[in-house]
Amino acid sequence: GAGVSQSPSNKVTEKGKDVELRCDPISGHTALYWYRQSLGQGLEFLIYFQGNSAPDKSGLPSDRFSAERTGGSVSTLTIQRTQQEDSAVYLCASSLSTGGITEAFFGQGTRLTVV
Amino acid sequence: QQQVKQSPQSLIVQKGGISIINCAYENTAFDYFPWYQQFPGKGPALLIAIRPDVSEKKEGRFTISFNKSAKQFSLHIMDSQPGDSATYFCAASSNTNAGKSTFGDGTTLTVKP
Repeated sequence: GAGVSQSPSNKVTEKGKDVELRCDPISGHTALYWYRQSLGQGLEFLIYFQGNSAPDKSGLPSDRFSAERTGGSVSTLTIQRTQQEDSAVYLCASSLSTGGITEAFFGQGTRLTVV
Repeated sequence: QQQVKQSPQSLIVQKGGISIINCAYENTAFDYFPWYQQFPGKGPALLIAIRPDVSEKKEGRFTISFNKSAKQFSLHIMDSQPGDSATYFCAASSNTNAGKSTFGDGTTLTVKP
């Protein structure tokens, strides 16, 4: 595709349910990043992938959060037993590589609301 | 510990005026400083970026000023236009992984016609 695609664009879920958020990066981009953006705040780094491996999971808030990437392309962020504080916009970005200065391109995000 | 502090939180400027947004960082390992522009319902988009080996970078109406000793950098938008109304984020990262950035909390800019 022409850009980073995320789905769904909006997700409303009940507290305690599991959710899966999907990211399709730009074709050929080996690096993929997940960020969380809470209302009125900046972006909070969650995890990044180089290929299918995740060298840095330091930003994942708890063990309820996990992510995987398959085939060096699509990534899924899973939140188990969602809590109200998980409500935020989840943004995915991709770049050609992690090394050096390569621009990261962001998707439009998934707005998650936990009720 | 917030590693990148951004101010002001919001800014209102008249059309044609200069918009100035400031950021300060703490981690001296940072060596790449991008600014992102975000419109409602969209993801952030890279606007302009600077490395610490230069003190200023200009692209059209947008200029980054960088003060390495003070660990501060700022975005200047000259001749501000209503279409510039958006949220602006400064960020910082290291050359080893430029995509993993630490972001400021954002500045909501409103340019009045």
